[in-house]
Amino acid sequence: EAGVTQFPSHSVIEKGQTVTLRCDPISGHDNLYWYRRVMGKEIKFLLHFVKESKQDESGMPNNRFLAERTGGTYSTLKVQPAELEDSGVYFCASSHLGPYNEQFFGPGTRLTVL
Amino acid sequence: KQEVTQIPAALSVPEGENLVLNCSFTDSAIYNLQWFRQDPGKGLTSLLLIQSSQREQTSGRLNASLDKSSGRSTLYIAASQPGDSATYLCAVPPQAGTALIFGKGTTLSVSS
Repeated sequence: EAGVTQFPSHSVIEKGQTVTLRCDPISGHDNLYWYRRVMGKEIKFLLHFVKESKQDESGMPNNRFLAERTGGTYSTLKVQPAELEDSGVYFCASSHLGPYNEQFFGPGTRLTVL
Repeated sequence: KQEVTQIPAALSVPEGENLVLNCSFTDSAIYNLQWFRQDPGKGLTSLLLIQSSQREQTSGRLNASLDKSSGRSTLYIAASQPGDSATYLCAVPPQAGTALIFGKGTTLSVSS
């Protein structure tokens, strides 16, 4: 079974530009989560999808971040326009619905905003 | 508001030692607790998940315990090896299916 995949692995952009991160969850996982780790801080939650619906977006920092999950499969996270403080590692995780729901993480996308 | 703390932040041990990593959480109303491993520049690998009704879980040389009432979990690593060197993270979801709240992690270095 393939794990969670993320693309790109690294992205370096200028302040003010737009970047789109992609996450492909494990097949059959209805829960999809986005997290972010900025330098020196703990990993923090951004957004939770159940299938194609946003279940919880309380962790999204501001309206420069837009997440979508097309047809309940892969998800994208767009940052527009990017700011310096958006730099960090963005992780995606997925899990089954139901009581056990162990979360499995992708390798992350390292975003650097210059 | 749930907070997760991991102590120590870093730990160095010689190969072969048994060691314990600590995780504490402020709100005992957790659904489960997950321990992860992160290698430098890599993603998180799930090591163990303990349901709130369980006291411990074992996988190979790893044993994780959970004491909800005291807000603590420990990850015991037996006979440590250099390949165990990594950052270990614990995380809890407040409810089933909700997002994880993470500690900052313990960075373990095992020397040969």
